[in-house]
Amino acid sequence: GENVEQHPSTLSVQEGDSAVIKCTYSDSASNYFPWYKQELGKGPQLIIDIRSNVGEKKDQRIAVTLNKTAKHFSLHITETQPEDSAVYFCAAAHQAGTALIFGKGTTLSVSS
Amino acid sequence: NAGVMQNPRHLVRRRGQEARLRCSPMKGHSHVYWYRQLPEEGLKFMVYLQKENIIDESGMPKERFSAEFPKEGPSILRIQQVVRGDSAAYFCASSPGDADTQYFGPGTRLTVL
Repeated sequence: GENVEQHPSTLSVQEGDSAVIKCTYSDSASNYFPWYKQELGKGPQLIIDIRSNVGEKKDQRIAVTLNKTAKHFSLHITETQPEDSAVYFCAAAHQAGTALIFGKGTTLSVSS
Repeated sequence: NAGVMQNPRHLVRRRGQEARLRCSPMKGHSHVYWYRQLPEEGLKFMVYLQKENIIDESGMPKERFSAEFPKEGPSILRIQQVVRGDSAAYFCASSPGDADTQYFGPGTRLTVL
C-alpha cells in the first residue's frame, strides 16, 4: 500500500522567512496530493492541493510543487507569519475523494 | 454554510464500555470518511461511506469497530468493548462527490480509562 514520508518533523523559522516541507510517496498510482494545517485542538484544514496533471500550484503565500517521476511533493510558505505556526500534514490518494494516506506531520514554529 | 459537525467533542469511557461517535457532513455532501489520530501521529484512514453503503473499510480494525451512514441522520462510528489503545482523536471528513476535496470536522477526543 501507499506510504508517505514527511520531513522535517519540526521546523523553526523567523517571521518573514520561507518554510519548506517535503514529502515522498511510494504508490505511483497516487494522483492527488493535499496539504492540511492543523491547529491545537482543531481538525485539519485544507490549505492547498495539487493533482498529478500539474507540476506547481500557488495561492498567495503558499505554493506546492510535484515531481511525479521522483514521487515527491513540497509545500512552500513565503513571508511566514506567527499565525502560520501549526502542524502541517501532507497526504496522497489515488484521487480526491478516496482514502487519504497522511505523513506524520511537521510542526512549524514562526517566531516574531 | 455550517461545516462538518462532530459530537461529542470529548468522550470518556471505561474499559469494556461502548463508544458512539457521530458525524454530520456539510450540507450537500453525501460522502463521509473516518480517520483516527493517535498522539504525536498523523491521521490514519479507517472507513469511507456513502449513504447506506460502505465503500472502503480497508483501515478499520477487524473486531469491535463498525461504521454506518444511514439514509437519514448522521454517520456513526461505533467502538465496542473499548480498550486503552482506542484512546485517540477521531476525525470525520465529508465531500460532495467521489472525486472531491475532503473537509474535516473538529474531531472527537476519546479517552479510555
